[in-house]
Amino acid sequence: GQNIDQPTEMTATEGAIVQINCTYQTSGFNGLFWYQQHAGEAPTFLSYNVLDGLEEKGRFSSFLSRSKGYSYLLLKELQMKDSASYLCAVNSNYQLIWGAGTKLIIKP
Amino acid sequence: KAGVTQTPRYLIKTRGQQVTLSCSPISGHRSVSWYQQTPGQGLQFLFEYFSETQRNKGNFPGRFSGRQFSNSRSEMNVSTLELGDSALYLCASSQRQGATDTQYFGPGTRLTVL
Repeated sequence: GQNIDQPTEMTATEGAIVQINCTYQTSGFNGLFWYQQHAGEAPTFLSYNVLDGLEEKGRFSSFLSRSKGYSYLLLKELQMKDSASYLCAVNSNYQLIWGAGTKLIIKP
Repeated sequence: KAGVTQTPRYLIKTRGQQVTLSCSPISGHRSVSWYQQTPGQGLQFLFEYFSETQRNKGNFPGRFSGRQFSNSRSEMNVSTLELGDSALYLCASSQRQGATDTQYFGPGTRLTVL
């Protein structure tokens, strides 16, 4: 079967760093997406990894290890507006398989 | 450029009824994907349309169907509604087909089945 695992909920402090992990077991792999979804809003694109390694984009970075079936999203200098759900999605044989999402709570 | 629009935003139906949801993609985008989102379940893929053809389908019963028009607008239909169909239905558009492209999501239609 196809499976994507993410922690259900994480809590972090404003100004700190947090790492959200995503592990996947899928029949195929053509890339991995991270999306951010604020409560009551639509998901918005954050990053896309196809090759192993780290992709940095401002305060957000995403890492991929295809051999380990593992990715993480790193958020630095956390702000209150980063409170949201973070969704990991794998392109498996050209169909997106989504994780259930990680709800990130930022405390002052 | 206008974003993805979905109508209606909210809908209340009763069991056994049918419903049609509409999605207008970003201008120039030819792919439209539909998702069901429920608390704790994440996004469940329903189907994808590209150039008026269904290219991919998730594991949903035949009560869920869709279509795409020549202007790339898409509709999703659910017949014989069940209580478990209550969810947020999201559509997303992208320029290229498949899951290799960034998807832009609409605000969703929240369907409540009583």
